[in-house]
Order: sequence, then structure tokens, then C-alpha cells
Amino acid sequence: EAGVVQSPRYKIIEKKQPVAFWCNPISGHNTLYWYRQNLGQGPELLIRYENEEAVDDSQLPKDRFSAERLKGVDSTLKIQPAELGDSAVYLCASSLGRASDTQYFGPGTRLTVL
Amino acid sequence: GENVEQHPSTLSVQEGDSAVIKCTYSDSASNYFPWYKQELGKRPQLIIDIRSNVGEKKDQRIAVTLNKTAKHFSLHITETQPEDSAVYFCAASGGSYIPTFGRGTSLIVHP
Repeated sequence: EAGVVQSPRYKIIEKKQPVAFWCNPISGHNTLYWYRQNLGQGPELLIRYENEEAVDDSQLPKDRFSAERLKGVDSTLKIQPAELGDSAVYLCASSLGRASDTQYFGPGTRLTVL
Repeated sequence: GENVEQHPSTLSVQEGDSAVIKCTYSDSASNYFPWYKQELGKRPQLIIDIRSNVGEKKDQRIAVTLNKTAKHFSLHITETQPEDSAVYFCAASGGSYIPTFGRGTSLIVHP
């Protein structure tokens, strides 16, 4: 069974440019999470989807970040415009659906903003 | 919201020794406590988890204990090996659906 897939793996952009990340969760997983992981820290939740509905998006900086999960399967996370402080690893994870279900992480996208 | 504290931030042991990493949480409604291992440049991988109806769980050299009254849980690794070297994260969730992670412990196992 394929795990969580993310692309691209690495992205280097200049500040003020837009960037988008893509995630395909494990088949059958209803819940999808986007995390940001800064160097030397644990993952921080940005947004959680239950099927196609966005819930728990209180930590998503909505002035520049947006996300979508059309059809309740794969998802995209966008930043526009990017700032220097957005440099981090963006992780996608999925789970079956309950809060106590195991999350499986993708390999992440390492974003560098110059 | 939930707050998870993890200690120590760095742990250095000799091969064969035991390692213990401790976490505390604040939300008494949290009921799921996973531990992840993250090697440099790789994704977090679940190594063991425990739910609030269990006090201890063991899987070969790895064990996790949970004290709901004190709101803390610990990861125990026995007979450490160099390949155990990585960053370990604890997490708590269930009270809300927002999983909260600790800041991580860098475990270094010296051959």
C-alpha cells in the first residue's frame, strides 16, 4: 500500500513569490492534516480536513495561506506571497478519521524562501 | 488548547544503556499519545502509541507508560543501539482533534 505522497520534495523561491504544495493521502483515510515544522521543533498543525471540509484551521495564517481538498482526496496548500519566515518543512499526514487514530506522515516539502 | 512539554531536549547515552524521554500534557481530555521517531531529513515515523485506557505498552525494546492522574507519559528504550539515534517527538490528542507535539528530544547513542 502506498503511503502519503507529497510533492515537490524541495522548493526554493524568492520572497513575495507564490508557492503550492500537493498531498495525496493514504487511500481510505478521511482525515488529512497539514503541518509546518521549523528546524529543531515539532510539527505544528496548520489545518485539518475531514473529507472535503476544513476544520481546525485556527492556526492557518489566512492572509497569505490557503488550502483546499476538492473531492475529499488530495489536497493543496498555497502560500501567496511567501515571506522569509515561511522557510520550513511542510508535512502532510492522514488518518482514518478519529482523533485517536494513528497519523501517517508524508516525506514533506522543504521550502526555502530567499 | 493542549500544551505538551518534552524533556530532555538532548539525550546522550552509550550503546546498550537505557534512554527515557518524558512528556507532560495539560488537557485532561486527551486520550491518545503517540511517539514518533524522525531521522534527519525524513518523515516522522510512529514507533509506539498508547491510549488512555492503558497504563503501559511494550514492543520489544520500546515501552511507553502513561500516568493520567499526573498527566505525563514516558518513552523507554532499552539496550540502545546506534541506529536509535534520531529525534523523538511525543504528541497528545483526543481532547480536541488538534494533535499537539512536543519540541522533540535528540537522542544520540554512542557506539
